[in-house]
Formats: sequence, structure tokens, C-alpha cells
Amino acid sequence: KQEVTQIPAALSVPEGENLVLNCSFTDSAIYNLQWFRQDPGKGLTSLLLIQSSQREQTSGRLNASLDKSSGRSTLYIAASQPGDSATYLCASEETSGSRLTFGEGTQLTVNP
Amino acid sequence: DTEVTQTPKHLVMGMTNKKSLKCEQHMGHRAMYWYKQKAKKPPELMFVYSYEKLSINESVPSRFSPECPNSSLLNLHLHALQPEDSALYLCASTQSNRERNTIYFGEGSWLTVV
Repeated sequence: KQEVTQIPAALSVPEGENLVLNCSFTDSAIYNLQWFRQDPGKGLTSLLLIQSSQREQTSGRLNASLDKSSGRSTLYIAASQPGDSATYLCASEETSGSRLTFGEGTQLTVNP
Repeated sequence: DTEVTQTPKHLVMGMTNKKSLKCEQHMGHRAMYWYKQKAKKPPELMFVYSYEKLSINESVPSRFSPECPNSSLLNLHLHALQPEDSALYLCASTQSNRERNTIYFGEGSWLTVV
């Protein structure tokens, strides 16, 4: 059974700092890996989706990488802003269907 | 329109009540999902519908009954729930569960069982 772990559980940084969120998974036979953002009391917003054949995806200040062999993905946020404060979740999708396995999330606070 | 709409946003129900959660999308997506999320925990998959047919049931108790009347609508019927069923219920959709596409989530329905 796939297990997804995110480190750290919480992170507080000053505005403008570049930061990295980590995600690891136990079963490398994933179909894709997605990063989501969740604001308190809200639904999830998909940020980046990396197919298993890809190494990275970029969107604006966000860059996500995927290393299937080591079972790791990272989300890099450049020049962080207070509006980036949220919980960030990574999720792997298994090969056999549409089941997403989520990590516990990293709660990010960016201080002005 | 890249929106998944869920109603109601908040629901309080007694353990003997029958209520329903509704989800709607007009993106032409053919795969729709129900997830349950407890406070400070990640979402947990409950049901998946693919082309209006139930394809995954994650051993969810029968007091939760999903329904997909058409390709745009997904309901979750609730009956005889327990207080521990209080959670945020999230609906989501993708183009198809046979292809790997971005998944879109609704804002969720907050359910409190008293």
C-alpha cells in the first residue's frame, strides 16, 4: 500500500524567502504526482501535476520535481509572499486507477 | 468554467435524519469523486464514478449512498449518520479516470452530525 510522507509538517518563513517542501512515497510505480494547495476551510486547488515520465513542472513561482527512483518530489516556491500561506499537499496516483494517496500536508506561514 | 460546485456549504443533521449533499460540474468531466476530510488530516477517497457508473467504493458504510444521475451531477445521500461522520466532504472531477489529468475539487460541504 502506497504511503506518502511530507516534511516538514509546518514551516514559517519571512516574506521573500525561497523555500522547498518535501514529499516522499514508498511505491515508485506511480502514474503521476500532484501538488495541491488548501486554504483553511476550503477545497483543494491543484498547483502542478507531474506525469511519471516527467522530471519537473513549472508554474510561475512554483517548480515541482519528481524522482521516481528515490521516491521523492519537491515543491520549490520562489520569493514567497504572505498570500502563499496555506497547507500544501502532495498526492500520488497509482497505476491501476484513479485513487489519489495524499500526504499529511505542510502548513506554510509566510510572515510579512 | 473550471468549477465544481457543492451544496450546501454547511449542514447540521441529527442521527436519525436523511439528507443529501450535491455536486455539479459543467466541464464535461466523466469521472467524479467523493472524498472525506477530517480536521488537519488529508482527504480520504470514498467513491469514484466513471461514466456515471460506480467504479470504486472504498468500503464506505452503507449509511453513505452515492448517486450519479447524469454526467454533470453527483449526490451523496446520508442516513443514520454518527457524530464521527462529521467532516468536510469534498467532491472532485477529472476528464476521465482512464487518463491522467488535473483533478478539480469543490469547496466542500461541512457536515456536523449531532
